[in-house]
Amino acid sequence: AQKVTQAQTEISVVEKEDVTLDCVYETRDTTYYLFWYKQPPSGELVFLIRRNSFDEQNEISGRYSWNFQKSTSSFNFTITASQVVDSAVYFCALLYNNNDMRFGAGTRLTVKP
Amino acid sequence: SQTIHQWPATLVQPVGSPLSLECTVEGTSNPNLYWYRQAAGRGLQLLFYSVGIGQISSEVPQNLSASRPQDRQFILSSKKLLLSDSGFYLCAWGVFRNEQFFGPGTRLTVL
Repeated sequence: AQKVTQAQTEISVVEKEDVTLDCVYETRDTTYYLFWYKQPPSGELVFLIRRNSFDEQNEISGRYSWNFQKSTSSFNFTITASQVVDSAVYFCALLYNNNDMRFGAGTRLTVKP
Repeated sequence: SQTIHQWPATLVQPVGSPLSLECTVEGTSNPNLYWYRQAAGRGLQLLFYSVGIGQISSEVPQNLSASRPQDRQFILSSKKLLLSDSGFYLCAWGVFRNEQFFGPGTRLTVL
């Protein structure tokens, strides 16, 4: 079965703290794609990153970094020196069968000043 | 660049009334199109997707339907709304094996 688990429902941190959002996936496909999206209070989902199953190289983009580990079926997202503007719901997603996207339940991150 | 439009932004409808939500995409050809629903405080549920004009796949049996009359137009409809149809409806477009890009969404309240 194709499944994405985001075990952390809500996380609250104080500004400038580092925070890691966990994502664990299940799939039988050998070729698949993983994504992170951000949903601010406005509601629109914003694409953050895409990773394919053949590329385990970690990615860093400014304060954001992603750790993809096939051995543990995890694709975790870390925000360094968090800011209030990072407050949002973050979704991890799995693309399989080339077109089918399965989203996790999301993690609500609150960054307090 | 590509943009995706959805309207209306918000909608309040009585139970039993019809529904029509529209989504259009600009700046790309033959995209895959998707309708998702997000209940309050919940994740995204895929409702329909389309890989081409007139081609609709339904993920969840319900009283909703979708149509794709033109390459870049995707419509979500219902003949009679239920209370359980309330939610945030998101349209998205994507291409083969790539990320999906989402529209601004429609907040539907059924009273």
